[in-house]
Amino acid sequence: GQQVMQIPQYQHVQEGEDFTTYCNSSTTLSNIQWYKQRPGGHPVFLIQLVKSGEVKKQKRLTFQFGEAKKNSSLHITATQTTDVGTYFCTNAGGTSYGKLTFGQGTILTVHP
Amino acid sequence: DSGVTQTPKHLITATGQRVTLRCSPRSGDLSVYWYQQSLDQGLQFLIQYYNGEERAKGNILERFSAQQFPDLHSELNLSSLELGDSALYFCASSHGSGANVLTFGAGSRLTVL
Repeated sequence: GQQVMQIPQYQHVQEGEDFTTYCNSSTTLSNIQWYKQRPGGHPVFLIQLVKSGEVKKQKRLTFQFGEAKKNSSLHITATQTTDVGTYFCTNAGGTSYGKLTFGQGTILTVHP
Repeated sequence: DSGVTQTPKHLITATGQRVTLRCSPRSGDLSVYWYQQSLDQGLQFLIQYYNGEERAKGNILERFSAQQFPDLHSELNLSSLELGDSALYFCASSHGSGANVLTFGAGSRLTVL
């Protein structure tokens, strides 16, 4: 199946600094989804990107889908301690069966 | 509360034993997905059911099996348990069978001693 790779695996930032995580695939993705998992919690859907070059914003979070639809990024401006958690990207499948393969995730730690 | 219910929340058992994890999807959702999350493996897709039928299979061991019942709840059976099976098992649901948004349950933490 399609594999998505995320970098970095870990990121430590001071509160107020920006943070970016990248998701890369060797094959073209039909669409991409981002999820956030708080420590001790379960993954929660953030956003889905479908179109080539698409950019979506949610408050301090900016999501981008690459022009070739092979990569995506999540950028957080001025991190807060509430941003702590693991951010996952996932291909939303190339088939009609919705086999979602998650990246390894980026674990974000925010130091106050 | 996500609407996806998983039981039990915690389970401790011994090697060689068999356990069953249960999942009730969000109301109206027809698909159920099972994922395994361990410290060094991230979120591993195990299997998907849609309206009672198996739709996609991932890295699910032969010792593991699952099914979805007519009322759409699902069970994941883990047998001949090994230490390495200790993990958090998530169930997620979605309305359709395709590339839908997943709603995850709180997970079942399995510890094999």
